[in-house]
Amino acid sequence: QQQVKQSPQSLIVQKGGISIINCAYENTAFDYFPWYQQFPGKGPALLIAIRPDVSEKKEGRFTISFNKSAKQFSLHIMDSQPGDSATYFCAASPGGSNYKLTFGKGTLLTVNP
Amino acid sequence: DGGITQSPKYLFRKEGQNVTLSCEQNLNHDAMYWYRQDPGQGLRLIYYSQIVNDFQKGDIAEGYSVSREKKESFPLTVTSAQKNPTAFYLCASSIPGTAQGYTFGSGTRLTVV
Repeated sequence: QQQVKQSPQSLIVQKGGISIINCAYENTAFDYFPWYQQFPGKGPALLIAIRPDVSEKKEGRFTISFNKSAKQFSLHIMDSQPGDSATYFCAASPGGSNYKLTFGKGTLLTVNP
Repeated sequence: DGGITQSPKYLFRKEGQNVTLSCEQNLNHDAMYWYRQDPGQGLRLIYYSQIVNDFQKGDIAEGYSVSREKKESFPLTVTSAQKNPTAFYLCASSIPGTAQGYTFGSGTRLTVV
């Protein structure tokens, strides 16, 4: 059972455009929703994260939008740059003592110059 | 510099051999994890450990084994029972009781020859 569904699998955006990646979850116990960025041959690195008590969080060009009732959250990359080309993973973790992250399958973003 | 070191970066295994992947961290994190990454599959949890001398199976533990004799070290052995071991393996660690501060190593690419 895939607990975090991520779409699209791949995305091509022109430089300066907006990249949008979506995730949906099923487990209502999830209370921490991070996004990770991974470059080829490297491990994922935390990009930005949100908790369900807020609907939006912005850090520079990166914004997470969160819809608790729909059980969906998304990553928006404004003014996308070629250096943003990477694989992006959404993830989720429940609260309490069970804090393992469950990951989506990833989105390969290509930003054309 | 605090971080997670995985070695080797590339590893080749012959059919029927066991191989061990190293993961060392100097972040003073109690929790450590092993994930397997395959194209289009995202990150799948193999094993995790919340404290020294204790570990639990993740979603795809069959054919793998781990030990946690020291806080800093969490080696993963890929046994001959793992029928399809070719993949990118990622080690991570986190502060106990939270998924925040999840830090990944740079990964080991294992290939069966």
